[in-house]
Amino acid sequence: AQKITQTQPGMFVQEKEAVTLDCTYDTSDPSYGLFWYKQPSSGEMIFLIYQGSYDQQNATEGRYSLNFQKARKSANLVISASQLGDSAMYFCAMGLGQNFVFGPGTRLSVLP
Amino acid sequence: DTAVSQTPKYLVTQMGNDKSIKCEQNLGHDTMYWYKQDSKKFLKIMFSYNNKELIINETVPNRFSPKSPDKAHLNLHINSLELGDSAVYFCASSHPGTADTGELFFGEGSRLTVL
Repeated sequence: AQKITQTQPGMFVQEKEAVTLDCTYDTSDPSYGLFWYKQPSSGEMIFLIYQGSYDQQNATEGRYSLNFQKARKSANLVISASQLGDSAMYFCAMGLGQNFVFGPGTRLSVLP
Repeated sequence: DTAVSQTPKYLVTQMGNDKSIKCEQNLGHDTMYWYKQDSKKFLKIMFSYNNKELIINETVPNRFSPKSPDKAHLNLHINSLELGDSAVYFCASSHPGTADTGELFFGEGSRLTVL
């Protein structure tokens, strides 16, 4: 069965520092996508970054990068130079076929 | 111009009532979804439709009935509402069969409160 694990219910980071949010996944399917979404307190789901299972290089989008370690089945999100506006829930998700499975989320708090 | 729009955004109702949430997407996607986010923020898929055809139907009470009149619309009707139905319901869409290559586009969510 497909499963996403995020072991950090909450994280704190000082403004301007980098932070890594952990995500591990479980699937036997060779073709899948890994996604990170941000949900601020206003409630909307914001797409951040995508990594395909066949991609050789780690994905990057501005201050976001995805540390993809296929053998370890991990897809950690790295946020560089944290900003106060980064305080939110962060969800890791896996896309397979026509289904997207989400992890339980990590609440990130950026401290001034 | 909102890509995935849901109405209403907030819904407060009494136990036992019936309510509907509407969803429309203008992205040209064939696949649409309903997700439920509970009070602990867990996001769980409820239904998925591809071009008006039901393809995913998770273990959801029969009181929940999705309806897709066309591929741009996916509505959710809930009968005999219960306290445990209180949650945020997200509509989403994606290109068909490409969950491994393309992201999910979410609506703003509809917060349902059952009293």
